Amino acid sequence: DAKTTQPPSMDCAEGRAANLPCNHSTISGNEYVYWYRQIHSQGPQYIIHGLKNNETNEMASLIITEDRKSSTLILPHATLRDTAVYYCIVRGRPNFGNEKLTFGTGTRLTIIP
Amino acid sequence: DGGITQSPKYLFRKEGQNVTLSCEQNLNHDAMYWYRQDPGQGLRLIYYSQIVNDFQKGDIAEGYSVSREKKESFPLTVTSAQKNPTAFYLCASSMEAVGNSPLHFGNGTRLTVT
Repeated sequence: DAKTTQPPSMDCAEGRAANLPCNHSTISGNEYVYWYRQIHSQGPQYIIHGLKNNETNEMASLIITEDRKSSTLILPHATLRDTAVYYCIVRGRPNFGNEKLTFGTGTRLTIIP
Repeated sequence: DGGITQSPKYLFRKEGQNVTLSCEQNLNHDAMYWYRQDPGQGLRLIYYSQIVNDFQKGDIAEGYSVSREKKESFPLTVTSAQKNPTAFYLCASSMEAVGNSPLHFGNGTRLTVT
């Protein structure tokens, strides 16, 4: 699986849009971009995923660049409950059982009142 | 409600003892995973299973063992051979082990070994 690079921390004012970047320059054609978030001492929560088109659901929007080497997660109207660690990962088809999906250290997003 | 249940939430053991962490899912998912998380770190894959009676080592399998006798269950045993067993353990499942299949996580078991 491709590696991802995220900034270690970000702040965002409550009510504003939070834009979290992720670089995945070694992504291959069949790998999806996933976003999860984790609040302290809980399991990661799935947010959204995409292959090459932009995606939107009730939680967030995912913008993937045309060359697929980077993406941005957008939380349109951040609330205090969005304070969490956000993980960007890439995930593809297993290579005869070699599916080693590993999460990096993510971005710690703090929403400021 | 469908989901993944990990039990217990907190577990304490003495050094040298084996301990088994439970993970059950009622999502009818084929694939299941075990991750370990240390303070301030990301998640590292211990073992995963794509189907019943089959499992594969992840990046840090040494000192751990698993079984997958039923689709719903994927218990993890932390053996006395694991040098640093104190950690937060997370179980996950997905419909299948392919790219377009999100992982769903349990709420974890925090293991402390003294």
